[in-house]
Amino acid sequence: DTGVSQDPRHKITKRGQNVTFRCDPISEHNRLYWYRQTLGQGPEFLTYFQNEAQLEKSRLLSDRFSAERPKGSFSTLEIQRTEQGDSAMYLCASSRGGGMDEQFFGPGTRLTVL
Amino acid sequence: DQQVKQNSPSLSVQEGRISILNCDYTNSMFDYFLWYKKYPAEGPTFLISISSIKDKNEDGRFTVFLNKSAKHLSLHIVPSQPGDSAVYFCAASEVNTDKLIFGTGTRLQVFP
Repeated sequence: DTGVSQDPRHKITKRGQNVTFRCDPISEHNRLYWYRQTLGQGPEFLTYFQNEAQLEKSRLLSDRFSAERPKGSFSTLEIQRTEQGDSAMYLCASSRGGGMDEQFFGPGTRLTVL
Repeated sequence: DQQVKQNSPSLSVQEGRISILNCDYTNSMFDYFLWYKKYPAEGPTFLISISSIKDKNEDGRFTVFLNKSAKHLSLHIVPSQPGDSAVYFCAASEVNTDKLIFGTGTRLQVFP
């Protein structure tokens, strides 16, 4: 157990519905990251935060995706109007920040869009 | 464009022998490299890392080698144990960014 928790662990939804995932990082970690992993691929970067500031967003993060970290602690990732192509494992990670620092990953939320 | 490549999707090694997992990259701006291990239904677990100013880093049974001129790194596990059976991901990041770029993974199976 790395100390990063994600909720829910599994989510099944119908196409067109909105979903929201939560990530609680390791408490003393300033940086929080979201990645997406599909079958047979490595995790792909989506976005990351330094405290409450969103520092970088991937081109993969379409306007249907939004992430927040309102108080610099937990983070939420919302997907609006889900599509079947959104089916994936959504991974959250955290680190102390400052460069060359390993990221600790949570167990992920598996999203299935029917 | 796959900036980090793991060309071997799987590797099978006998317990006690050496496991060598390989990774190639194309981006010259990468300055930090990591290996993660992933068991089913779990998130990736950090294993070992190396910065571009070094060519070797060792931690117990795990050693990572970096060859910058060849843009190649490898992970050596000696001796291999059945509990090492997992998917191994190579990852890299550029100067001044924390964004990790992952390879597609190599599934290692260690048999008795």
